[in-house]
Amino acid sequence: AAGVIQSPRHLIKEKRETATLKCYPIPRHDTVYWYQQGPGQDPQFLISFYEKMQSDKGSIPDRFSAQQFSDYHSELNMSSLELGDSALYFCASSLVVDTQYFGPGTRLTVL
Amino acid sequence: QKEVEQNSGPLSVPEGAIASLNCTYSDRVSQSFFWYRQYSGKSPELIMSIYSNGDKEDGRFTAQLNKASQYVSLLIRDSQPSDSATYLCAVSPATGTASKLTFGTGTRLQVTL
Repeated sequence: AAGVIQSPRHLIKEKRETATLKCYPIPRHDTVYWYQQGPGQDPQFLISFYEKMQSDKGSIPDRFSAQQFSDYHSELNMSSLELGDSALYFCASSLVVDTQYFGPGTRLTVL
Repeated sequence: QKEVEQNSGPLSVPEGAIASLNCTYSDRVSQSFFWYRQYSGKSPELIMSIYSNGDKEDGRFTAQLNKASQYVSLLIRDSQPSDSATYLCAVSPATGTASKLTFGTGTRLQVTL
């Protein structure tokens, strides 16, 4: 079965640089979620989209923005990167209110 | 106090034994409950979902929900070394659109030979 695709899988950036993470949901899934997981921590909800509209917002810094496109893929844009942004970033998708399935994640390292 | 509480472990059980993982949550409006398994550096993988009070069985896994006590548990029968991972309890506030998951800190399970 097709799964959630995330790219890139690994990303290394310098402080104050910009990063863009991409997420391709499971086919026919209309809802996308972004989570951040720091070392030794549980995943923290950032933001979600349903039918290309922002649905819910969590502890997402103002330096971050995201959107869902017409083909339902989503991008998380991160600017003015800080050392503390180093983490695993997971995208999950679901069909309306159904169970969330997670992608493999993007490991972001900020130097 | 975290919204979702789990014992961080490690919980060590011998191969073939039953592993019992527990989770409590504070938000009474929580409607959907999930157990995810996460290997180190990998993404959370769904093990079980449960929405109603009582037990739900799937193979070696049984989830139990008690909304009155705000308690969710996961039993793993015939534990295998491959079950060694961190188990994350997650709750969702409602069955509405795009409801976020709130995770506990996870319980690390070690299945010994």
